[in-house]
Amino acid sequence: EAGVTQFPSHSVIEKGQTVTLRCDPISGHDNLYWYRRVMGKEIKFLLHFVKESKQDESGMPNNRFLAERTGGTYSTLKVQPAELEDSGVYFCASSQGREELFFGEGSRLTVL
Amino acid sequence: GENVEQHPSTLSVQEGDSAVIKCTYSDSASNYFPWYKQELGKGPQLIIDIRSNVGEKKDQRIAVTLNKTAKHFSLHITETQPEDSAVYFCAASKSYIPTFGRGTSLIVHP
Repeated sequence: EAGVTQFPSHSVIEKGQTVTLRCDPISGHDNLYWYRRVMGKEIKFLLHFVKESKQDESGMPNNRFLAERTGGTYSTLKVQPAELEDSGVYFCASSQGREELFFGEGSRLTVL
Repeated sequence: GENVEQHPSTLSVQEGDSAVIKCTYSDSASNYFPWYKQELGKGPQLIIDIRSNVGEKKDQRIAVTLNKTAKHFSLHITETQPEDSAVYFCAASKSYIPTFGRGTSLIVHP
């Protein structure tokens, strides 16, 4: 069974540009989460989908970040326009129940 | 909101030694405490978890302890092996959205 897949694995963009990260959860997992880790810091919660609905987006830093989950399947996280402080590793995770999260390998974003 | 502190940030041990990672949490309502291991180039993976109605849980060479009164929980790894080298994250949760610590980079020297 395929795990959580994320694309791209690494993206380097300049300040002011736009980047879209994609996450494909494990098939059948209704819960999808986005987290971000800035180097050396905690893995910080961004938002949680249940199917196609945003259940909790309290962790989204500001309105430059937009997350969607089309038809309750894959999810995208768009950063527009990107700022230097947006650099970090963006993790997607999915779960069927409400406890164990299955993480993808992460998308590393570098904003120059 | 919940705040999770994790120590140490780096831990270096010799193969065969024990390793202990400690975490504290702030929200007394948290009731689920998972530990995740992140190997190089991979995403974090759940290795063990404990619920608030249990004080200790063991799975082969790893064990977790929880002190609800002190809001403190720990991960213990015995007989460490080079493949235990990774970043370990503790987390605390009350609403199924875990709050993570900063991670501990464990290095096991052969």
